[in-house]
Amino acid sequence: NAGVTQTPKFQVLKTGQSMTLQCAQDMNHEYMSWYRQDPGMGLRLIHYSVGAGITDQGEVPNGYNVSRSTTEDFPLRLLSAAPSQTSVYFCASSRRPVAGGPYEQYFGPGTRLTVT
Amino acid sequence: GENVEQHPSTLSVQEGDSAVIKCTYSDSASNYFPWYKQELGKRPQLIIDIRSNVGEKKDQRIAVTLNKTAKHFSLHITETQPEDSAVYFCAAVGSARQLTFGSGTQLTVLP
Repeated sequence: NAGVTQTPKFQVLKTGQSMTLQCAQDMNHEYMSWYRQDPGMGLRLIHYSVGAGITDQGEVPNGYNVSRSTTEDFPLRLLSAAPSQTSVYFCASSRRPVAGGPYEQYFGPGTRLTVT
Repeated sequence: GENVEQHPSTLSVQEGDSAVIKCTYSDSASNYFPWYKQELGKRPQLIIDIRSNVGEKKDQRIAVTLNKTAKHFSLHITETQPEDSAVYFCAAVGSARQLTFGSGTQLTVLP
């Protein structure tokens, strides 16, 4: 299994450009999430999906769109890039959590995005 | 929603000493608390977790304790080694069934 894969690894955008960060998993996980990681702020949830066709907003959704047309793929779209979106983006997947049960999220390798 | 606070933000210890990282959470419905380790330039990886019906869990040199009454949990690393140097994140799964992460602790083990 490849686990969770992300492309690209690095990206530089100009302000106002749009792009899509790709994420795929081959573990048949129901849950998928996008996080951004900024220095001193940990991992903040952008959007998440609990299954194909279902998405919801996390803590910092503004400026980002997602869709989940298949179980495997969960792309993140930046509509009009801004310097404040310079960050490292991680995609993660997991099985459906059960009450009090383990909830291991498997992370992709990350995409380092710079917006100039 | 859930709020997780983590302290300290940086921690330096001598090789062989113990390291302790502490987290507090706000959602009393939170029932699962994982810890992730992230090495420089790598992805976060789960190292240990604890459920709300357990007070302590150990895995070799790593242990986690949970105090549900006080809503705090801690990571303990004994006999630290240089390869323990990394950023450690605590997290909590609350009523929204989503992971909320602390802000991270940069642990440096000095030889």
